[in-house]
Amino acid sequence: DIQMTQSPSSVSASVGDRVTITCRASQGIGSWLAWYQQKAGKAPKLLIYAASSLQSGVPSRFSGSGSGTDFTLTISSLQPEDFATYYCQQANSFPRTFGQGTRLEIK
Amino acid sequence: EVQLVESGGILVQPGGSLRLSCAASEFTFSSYAMSWVRQAPGKGLEWVSAISSSGANTYYADSVKGRFTISRDNSNNILYLQMNSLRAEDTAVYYCAVQYCSGGGCYGYFQHWGQGTLVTVSS
Repeated sequence: DIQMTQSPSSVSASVGDRVTITCRASQGIGSWLAWYQQKAGKAPKLLIYAASSLQSGVPSRFSGSGSGTDFTLTISSLQPEDFATYYCQQANSFPRTFGQGTRLEIK
Repeated sequence: EVQLVESGGILVQPGGSLRLSCAASEFTFSSYAMSWVRQAPGKGLEWVSAISSSGANTYYADSVKGRFTISRDNSNNILYLQMNSLRAEDTAVYYCAVQYCSGGGCYGYFQHWGQGTLVTVSS
């Protein structure tokens, strides 16, 4: 199975900050990576697919990059509604696997 | 707007069985692969199972293989998860999710999610 490891596990930031979350796969997955945002008590929401493609309706302050084993999610200027937990997920093979999550908190 | 409504989550004793349902609407259900993803209280997301659009192919996480069975009814737009030999560690919110499709291709990302149904395994 492909293990997905996110860092950091949590981060504190302020509105307007730039934040980067990283995700590392235990083996190469090409660009078969997605990022999700989950708010408390809600279902996850797809933000980025194919490592760098922005899902329709997602603000352009979100961006993704990387390929192979190392990936990043960047939020260019944090907004109040961005404070949530973020997960990466590989779609290269079964079983699908998620990172452990990164909790983005208000400083 | 795509709608996915899960149901069937309850409190069940260890060793018991349960069937979850996910009623789908506002999209061509029979054209999309579907998955179940779960989230234990306070924990992260765990993919559980997937089924192809026709139902011919199924996939499972090792943690549920041999105990859970995914199926679908394309005539009635319903996805199922039969859960047997339940354990305390199966306690979670179970989400159904639709695979992402675009430009004639479909991929292993989850574009739409239901609101989830809570399964509690406890004596």
